[in-house]
Amino acid sequence: GAVVSQHPSRVICKSGTSVKIECRSLDFQATTMFWYRQFPKQSLMLMATSNEGSKATYEQGVEKDKFLINHASLTLSTLTVTSAHPEDSSFYICSARGTSGNLVIADTQYFGPGTRLTVL
Amino acid sequence: QKEVEQDPGPLSVPEGAIVSLNCTYSNSAFQYFMWYRQYSRKGPELLMYTYSSGNKEDGRFTAQVDKSSKYISLFIRDSQPSDSATYLCAIGNFNKFYFGSGTKLNVKP
Repeated sequence: GAVVSQHPSRVICKSGTSVKIECRSLDFQATTMFWYRQFPKQSLMLMATSNEGSKATYEQGVEKDKFLINHASLTLSTLTVTSAHPEDSSFYICSARGTSGNLVIADTQYFGPGTRLTVL
Repeated sequence: QKEVEQDPGPLSVPEGAIVSLNCTYSNSAFQYFMWYRQYSRKGPELLMYTYSSGNKEDGRFTAQVDKSSKYISLFIRDSQPSDSATYLCAIGNFNKFYFGSGTKLNVKP
């Protein structure tokens, strides 16, 4: 249990285009989803926290107009990188927290496999 | 001062060795203590989580928390080549975790 998927796993795009990344909780309902960014050999940096049906809460320094987050259902959150530029190239990882039947996953975060974005 | 500090390694050990990975943290109010394993170009995988001081064991893994010293450890017994990965500690509260920079572990056959 507690499986999180991300799509796509890898995307290459031209500068100026927008890219959408999907994060899905496959076997539980994710009341909260988190979006992280990871640079090579560095740790995870939290970008934003989203609760289902609410606006996302962005960390200081993260442009909310550039990184659009939607958490419209209990199993899906999307991150859209608008007008992507080469400096947005990174590994984007989502995580989810929630409950599922008898399995309480309320306290920890389960991560997706990540999406590698390359902006040319 | 960073919220969480972790020695980046790399740490290289022979197969079968006991591995000790450590993190320190600055905020005594933190209540959640996690260890994740991350293979190259993959998302982190939850290994252990605990909320209290003391030891928690799961197979070859033991998580240890010392709240008085603000210090946590992960011990791996009988280490295997398949344990080679980067290990991340995550410490914080319900609404936010702070991740260590990760310790890269290499277990040599």
